[in-house]
Amino acid sequence: EPEVTQTPSHQVTQMGQEVILRCVPISNHLYFYWYRQILGQKVEFLVSFYNNEISEKSEIFDDQFSVERPDGSNFTLKIRSTKLEDSAMYFCASGRTGYEQYFGPGTRLTVT
Amino acid sequence: QKEVEQNSGPLSVPEGAIASLNCTYSDRVSQSFFWYRQYSGKSPELIMSIYSNGDKEDGRFTAQLNKASQYVSLLIRDSQPSDSATYLCAVNPPGGSARQLTFGSGTQLTVLP
Repeated sequence: EPEVTQTPSHQVTQMGQEVILRCVPISNHLYFYWYRQILGQKVEFLVSFYNNEISEKSEIFDDQFSVERPDGSNFTLKIRSTKLEDSAMYFCASGRTGYEQYFGPGTRLTVT
Repeated sequence: QKEVEQNSGPLSVPEGAIASLNCTYSDRVSQSFFWYRQYSGKSPELIMSIYSNGDKEDGRFTAQLNKASQYVSLLIRDSQPSDSATYLCAVNPPGGSARQLTFGSGTQLTVLP
């Protein structure tokens, strides 16, 4: 069964550094999302992406964040200058219809 | 502020029993509702979606939706120890596709052998 994949599984970075989190959505899906989950807290929406543009973004998704679909398979989340409070699990999700969303295994980001 | 509320639990049921998980949502015009299962340290796994009032059954799982009461529930029949996880309720607002999911904080379920 096709799955969303994410790399790396764990990323450690220093405050102020840029990180790029990578995702390969399920191949026939058209809708892509990023969520994050701070340890012990709710899953929070960051951004949705469809037809090569952002469909919706949350208040969390400020100018420090950007998303890109550089080719036909990858979907990336960039954080330009990481802060301590960016430490979280970042989940990529994809969907065929824009309603049901299937999550990848996540990238644990630790900012020191 | 659109909210999705769940009892955090923990909810413990014996093996073979029915587990009942509940969720309420504040945005009356919400249209799509989902249940995810999240094992500790893992990502959310979609187990049920429901879009109209009534019951929807899939194997041992039944989702129930009552839009008038702004209430959605998940029943797990013949609970197994492998069902022990946190169950997340998620709600999608109206206005087209590619919309954000708003998640509840989850209910932790333990199925006792």
